[in-house]
Amino acid sequence: AQSVSQHNHHVILSEAASLELGCNYSYGGTVNLFWYVQYPGQHLQLLLKYFSGDPLVKGIKGFEAEFIKSKFSFNLRKPSVQWSDTAEYFCAVKHGSSNTGKLIFGQGTTLQVKP
Amino acid sequence: GAGVSQSPSNKVTEKGKDVELRCDPISGHTALYWYRQSLGQGLEFLIYFQGNSAPDKSGLPSDRFSAERTGGSVSTLTIQRTQQEDSAVYLCASSGKGQGVTEAFFGQGTRLTVV
Repeated sequence: AQSVSQHNHHVILSEAASLELGCNYSYGGTVNLFWYVQYPGQHLQLLLKYFSGDPLVKGIKGFEAEFIKSKFSFNLRKPSVQWSDTAEYFCAVKHGSSNTGKLIFGQGTTLQVKP
Repeated sequence: GAGVSQSPSNKVTEKGKDVELRCDPISGHTALYWYRQSLGQGLEFLIYFQGNSAPDKSGLPSDRFSAERTGGSVSTLTIQRTQQEDSAVYLCASSGKGQGVTEAFFGQGTRLTVV
C-alpha cells in the first residue's frame, strides 16, 4: 500500500538553527510531492510542491525541498528558522502525472522554535 | 467563495447519534478529498472523489462512515451511530481545475466531539 513516512514527530530548535525534516514514500512510479504547513489555529496551506524538472524546489518563507528519486525522499529544509515557523508540517504524495489519484499524507512533524 | 468552505465549524453530538458534515469545494475543482485529523495521528485519508468516477472509499474506517458528492460539487460526510473514537477534526480539500497536476486546497475543518 502507498505510504508516506515522516521520521521526526516532534522537533525543537532555537531561532537561527537549521532545519531538515525527513519524508520518505513507498511508490516507485511517477509521483508528485508536497509539503503542507499548519500554523496554530489555521488551516493547512501549501509550502512547496514538486511535479517535474529541477529536483530542488523552493517554496514560501525560505523553505526548500529536494526530491531524491533513488532514495524515495523529499526532505524539507530551511537554513535559519524563525519563531514564526512554529507549526505542524506534513509531507504528501500523489501518484501519477495527472489530476487523478489520491493524496496521501505523512503523520506530520511538530516544529517548535524557541525564541 | 474563493476557498473551500466547511460547515459546521464545530459539532458536539451524543454518542449514538448521526452527524452530517458539509464541504463546499472551490468552484470548478474536479477532485474532492475528506481526511480525519486526530491528535498525534496526522491526516488520515477517508475518501476521494474525482469527477464522475466512482469514489475511492478505501480509507473509510467502518461502514458507519459514508460520503456523497452531489452534482460534482458539494459533498457530505455522514457518520452514523457516532462513537467517542470518532472525535476528531474532519478536513475537506479540493483540487484540479485546469491542466496538469495541481495542489489541494483545504478548508478550516469541522471539529467533531462525541460525548
